[in-house]
Amino acid sequence: GAVVSQHPSWVICKSGTSVKIECRSLDFQATTMFWYRQFPKQSLMLMATSNEGSKATYEQGVEKDKFLINHASLTLSTLTVTSAHPEDSSFYICSARDPRQSSYNSPLHFGNGTRLTVT
Amino acid sequence: AQKITQTQPGMFVQEKEAVTLDCTYDTSDPSYGLFWYKQPSSGEMIFLIYQGSYDQQNATEGRYSLNFQKARKSANLVISASQLGDSAMYFCAMREGIQGAQKLVFGQGTRLTINP
Repeated sequence: GAVVSQHPSWVICKSGTSVKIECRSLDFQATTMFWYRQFPKQSLMLMATSNEGSKATYEQGVEKDKFLINHASLTLSTLTVTSAHPEDSSFYICSARDPRQSSYNSPLHFGNGTRLTVT
Repeated sequence: AQKITQTQPGMFVQEKEAVTLDCTYDTSDPSYGLFWYKQPSSGEMIFLIYQGSYDQQNATEGRYSLNFQKARKSANLVISASQLGDSAMYFCAMREGIQGAQKLVFGQGTRLTINP
């Protein structure tokens, strides 16, 4: 079945540094990927829609300059948290839909997530 | 306005019993899809079951079934014969429309605990 790989699975960084998270679709090409953030014991909140070859679409309230998204190929999207601060500590998870499946009822396939801790 | 509402923060069920997790939704789009995902403590999101707005029958996938009541805008997940491994967070999600990027909007989740 479709697999989405996310790396790293966890990362600890110092305040003020930048962190890059990769999301790869392993056996299908994804023109669109979605980035979610999940705080402890809370739901998944959509941050942005990553579009291959064009700019990402950010949800209201998400800082574009803080969360840089690059979708340079049909199998790779990256999320860079720039100048990270402790409040950015969260679980970040990417997802994509397999275009070979019907768009109407096909589920999003999720990566295993990245737990970011900013000290 | 909240589009997906899960009113049960936590549920405790005895092993082998059936459990119903509630989900109500709000949309004016006639075309939508409803999804249930399971999130164990490891964090991965596991797709369980899907219900389309035009589907005439309730969806079923093994021990999972969806009690879809369109007029009430509810899509409750029913897990039959619960197992210890069912303990996890469960999220209901909705996708509106059949065109475009079709992002998923998630409910708050329900933490299910199966007791031996």
